Amino acid sequence: GAVVSQHPSWVICKSGTSVKIECRSLDFQATTMFWYRQFPKQSLMLMATSNEGSKATYEQGVEKDKFLINHASLTLSTLTVTSAHPEDSSFYICSAMSSTTTDTQYFGPGTRLTVL
Amino acid sequence: RKEVEQDPGPFNVPEGATVAFNCTYSNSASQSFFWYRQDCRKEPKLLMSVYSSGNEDGRFTAQLNRASQYISLLIRDSKLSDSATYLCVVLPSGGYNKLIFGAGTRLAVHP
Repeated sequence: GAVVSQHPSWVICKSGTSVKIECRSLDFQATTMFWYRQFPKQSLMLMATSNEGSKATYEQGVEKDKFLINHASLTLSTLTVTSAHPEDSSFYICSAMSSTTTDTQYFGPGTRLTVL
Repeated sequence: RKEVEQDPGPFNVPEGATVAFNCTYSNSASQSFFWYRQDCRKEPKLLMSVYSSGNEDGRFTAQLNRASQYISLLIRDSKLSDSATYLCVVLPSGGYNKLIFGAGTRLAVHP
């Protein structure tokens, strides 16, 4: 099946620093990628939809200036958490949708962010 | 009201048991429905899609009742490896492929 990778798989950073998370589709082109966040014992919450070559669409309540998304190619989207704070500690998961099979999302393995 | 609601569990069952999970959704215009499985600290993985006619995949049976806006998952002959969180997922119509996830139901299968 289609493979999506994320890097890093986990990161610990100090409060106030910025963290970049990469999401790559390894064997297919992804015109659309999604970024989710999951807090412990809660559901995945969609943060934003990332379309290649255009600005990301953010869900209500998600600060676009804090969570910077760049989808510069058909295989790579990045999420940068700027000026991270402890409340940003969470499990960040991306998914990618193939340009040819638009009814299936393939999930990355997730990135666990801990902000001290 | 949450868009997708599930009983959080946990469901603690012995090996070999049959267990059923339920899910309700609020948007009557939703077009597609799925069950995902998520292991601890891992990404969700698609278990099966859910169709109005009902569908079965080995020990797993999914049912959809559009009139009641209700989805179910039945697991027969539970295995230890079935222990996980099961996520009910809905794709609203015209939703630009934005999946709506339930909070999940935890299943623990014990020897």
